[in-house]
Amino acid sequence: DQQVKQNSPSLSVQEGRISILNCDYTNSMFDYFLWYKKYPAEGPTFLISISSIKDKNEDGRFTVFLNKSAKHLSLHIVPSQPGDSAVYFCAASATQTGANNLFFGTGTRLTVIP
Amino acid sequence: GAGVSQTPSNKVTEKGKYVELRCDPISGHTALYWYRQSLGQGPEFLIYFQGTGAADDSGLPNDRFFAVRPEGSVSTLKIQRTERGDSAVYLCASSLASRGPRSYNEQFFGPGTRLTVL
Repeated sequence: DQQVKQNSPSLSVQEGRISILNCDYTNSMFDYFLWYKKYPAEGPTFLISISSIKDKNEDGRFTVFLNKSAKHLSLHIVPSQPGDSAVYFCAASATQTGANNLFFGTGTRLTVIP
Repeated sequence: GAGVSQTPSNKVTEKGKYVELRCDPISGHTALYWYRQSLGQGPEFLIYFQGTGAADDSGLPNDRFFAVRPEGSVSTLKIQRTERGDSAVYLCASSLASRGPRSYNEQFFGPGTRLTVL
């Protein structure tokens, strides 16, 4: 069963506009959440993370929001740039168990149109 | 500094053969992870090493899969009697040592090995 879900396989956004990527999870033991970006033929690259004790984390153009009651998180990119075009993976970890392995969603392919 | 490296980048083999995939982690990273990414899916956890020992191998799909890390650095993922369903990209990641519960160290991923079983 998929414990981390990204229900939108793809998203297209005009350059300069906001991109919003969504992620849902089912396991209440998850307490650390991450977004990874992946280009073809490369490994995933860490983008931004958030601990369950927070509801927002911001890093430049990237902001992650966490809604624990809804078991939902989202990544906002503003303004979107053509170089942001990639596949974005949401991931979660249950660190309180001492485990660091990540559970990934299926990814959302973002295309930023110049 | 060098990132995580994986060799080979591509491996084509025939059903029933044995394969070895190698991962060279970032120097000083004691934690090492193997993931498998099938087409259209996200990476799925296989096994986690802390030093030389496998701390968690719960993700290995069956006993055809085995991984070692004899000196606490390079790791080899070994697949016996390969099947067509084993075709995937095998990703390795490394991180600093776990600091215990409620702590998280960023995992750095290699480029992966694309395995194709004919």
